[in-house]
Amino acid sequence: DQQVKQNSPSLSVQEGRISILNCDYTNSMFDYFLWYKKYPAEGPTFLISISSIKDKNEDGRFTVFLNKSAKHLSLHIVPSQPGDSAVYFCAASFTGNQFYFGTGTSLTVIP
Amino acid sequence: DVKVTQSSRYLVKRTGEKVFLECVQDMDHENMFWYRQDPGLGLRLIYFSYDVKMKEKGDIPEGYSVSREKKERFSLILESASTNQTSMYLCASSLRQVVLYGYTFGSGTRLTVV
Repeated sequence: DQQVKQNSPSLSVQEGRISILNCDYTNSMFDYFLWYKKYPAEGPTFLISISSIKDKNEDGRFTVFLNKSAKHLSLHIVPSQPGDSAVYFCAASFTGNQFYFGTGTSLTVIP
Repeated sequence: DVKVTQSSRYLVKRTGEKVFLECVQDMDHENMFWYRQDPGLGLRLIYFSYDVKMKEKGDIPEGYSVSREKKERFSLILESASTNQTSMYLCASSLRQVVLYGYTFGSGTRLTVV
């Protein structure tokens, strides 16, 4: 059973606008969360992370929000750029070592 | 920069063959992982290892085994390849405590079993 879910398989956004990617999880014991970005024919690359003691973490154009009561995680990209077009995976862990991944959301940023 | 190198980008094997997928990392990471990526299923953990000669089953270990004789190398073995093992295989490595730094992934091996 999928413990980490990304219910939107794809998302299209105009360049310069905000992209919001969502992720839901079922295990309340998860306390570390990561976002990865994957281009075709490449492995995923680490983007940004958050631990359960925080509800927000920012890194440049990327912000991750964590709502523990709703078991919901989101990634905001502002402003979106064509180079952000990729598949985004969220991942969660309660050990800090083994992560459970979502199914991915394919983001297309339209110039 | 940490590099995780997977020996093959594309592989085509016949049903019943024994298949070896090799992964090497160059940054002295303790942890190594094998995932497979399938459409609609995301990344699923097959096996992982926290140290040389140590291995732990992930979520989908059936039909696979692993070997870690040296710290930098983690091999995935398909004992008798089947068509349902056609997939993208991703190797990853990390420091002992992954927290907040994530894994470093290789570029993947696309395996087709015919």
